[in-house]
Amino acid sequence: AQKITQTQPGMFVQEKEAVTLDCTYDTSDPSYGLFWYKQPSSGEMIFLIYQGSYDQQNATEGRYSLNFQKARKSANLVISASQLGDSAMYFCAMREGLLLNQGAQKLVFGQGTRLTINP
Amino acid sequence: DAGITQSPRHKVTETGTPVTLRCHQTENHRYMYWYRQDPGHGLRLIHYSYGVKDTDKGEVSDGYSVSRSKTEDFLLTLESATSSQTSVYFCAIRDSGGSYNEQFFGPGTRLTVL
Repeated sequence: AQKITQTQPGMFVQEKEAVTLDCTYDTSDPSYGLFWYKQPSSGEMIFLIYQGSYDQQNATEGRYSLNFQKARKSANLVISASQLGDSAMYFCAMREGLLLNQGAQKLVFGQGTRLTINP
Repeated sequence: DAGITQSPRHKVTETGTPVTLRCHQTENHRYMYWYRQDPGHGLRLIHYSYGVKDTDKGEVSDGYSVSRSKTEDFLLTLESATSSQTSVYFCAIRDSGGSYNEQFFGPGTRLTVL
């Protein structure tokens, strides 16, 4: 069964510093996708970034990048030049199966990391 | 904005009463999901739907049922609410036309069972 682990319940970072949020996963399927979502205090879930298991390069989306180490089964989120608005809960999630697989593509989530950016 | 609304947004009910939560989408997505969010557990899948009248169980389906009679509506029912079902409930759709088949979430429903 697939599993996602986020070992940092909370993190505190100074504004403008880079921050790395850890995520490790476990799956026996060679085809999978990894997602990061942000949940600010207002409660909505915001999709940030995606990494496919066969992607050759680490995903990047603006200030977000994903440090994908397949052999270690880790998919850490890196936020560069943190801002006060980055304070939120962050969730790592995994989907088994290829992108084009039209099955359920259920997501399994980690427990989340609460990030606080200090001014 | 994936055009997802949830109703009600907040609800307080008593143990043993039936409760129905509604998820409505406007963009004709085939796949819809219900999750619950609890501290220390992240989000966990309750049920999902892959078309009208086509549903299946997720990880934590006990005590919940779902129905989808129209593409745009996915209903989650607690037949007899218990205090352990106090949670925040999120509906999601899967954007099959998106780059990553990512899921987009509704605003959530906070349910309190007294």
